[in-house]
Amino acid sequence: EVQLVESGGGLVKPGGSLRLSCAASGFTFSSYSMNWVRQAPGKGLEWVSSISSSSSYIYYADSVKGRFTISRDNAKNSLYLQMNSLRAEDTAVYYCARDLGLLYSSSQLDYWGQGTLVTVSS
Amino acid sequence: QSALTQPASVSGSPGQSITISCTGTSSDVGGYNYVSWYQQHPGKAPKLMIYDVSNRPSGVSNRFSGSKSGNTASLTISGLQAEDEADYYCSSYTSSSTQVFGGGTKLTVL
Repeated sequence: EVQLVESGGGLVKPGGSLRLSCAASGFTFSSYSMNWVRQAPGKGLEWVSSISSSSSYIYYADSVKGRFTISRDNAKNSLYLQMNSLRAEDTAVYYCARDLGLLYSSSQLDYWGQGTLVTVSS
Repeated sequence: QSALTQPASVSGSPGQSITISCTGTSSDVGGYNYVSWYQQHPGKAPKLMIYDVSNRPSGVSNRFSGSKSGNTASLTISGLQAEDEADYYCSSYTSSSTQVFGGGTKLTVL
């Protein structure tokens, strides 16, 4: 069974940093592109970042470019999101999600974690 | 990258059919067949309902169908059931190799 479990969320002050993790199991992690998607309270989904299976291709939404860094460790079946210079508008539930493409990226997400809440407030 | 355009809300009675539209541009919806739809119940993670414009993942009811014409994709739910009440989001691959979601549509089953 495919499982994605996020962790690392919490309360952080504006300008602060936080590192999210996503532990994957139940599939060959190294064969799939992975994504972070966020959802602000009461709002819609916003794609944040993606990373290809071998980390060769990395993309970011304009809203987080230069502040967030996505990475992965295929040996540990883990995905990460380093978030720096956090702003109030970054407050959201952050989801880790798997791209359904095997060894290619389709930007279509077939498995999602339960999400971790990041709150940026003084 | 601007969000895809969806109606804020749609409604229908049990047994009826509804269609949710999703309008983008030639740089996303119109240019690629990587269009997907997600269902999200309150407090839950999104669930993939349609991928590659019109394909259903295993386990998704055949009451859900997808299509695309030009820059507009559509999700149709036939034989509406109470459990279909949820938020629905479309998404597309973009020419920048990124992904963009629609603003979401709240489906109410009357």
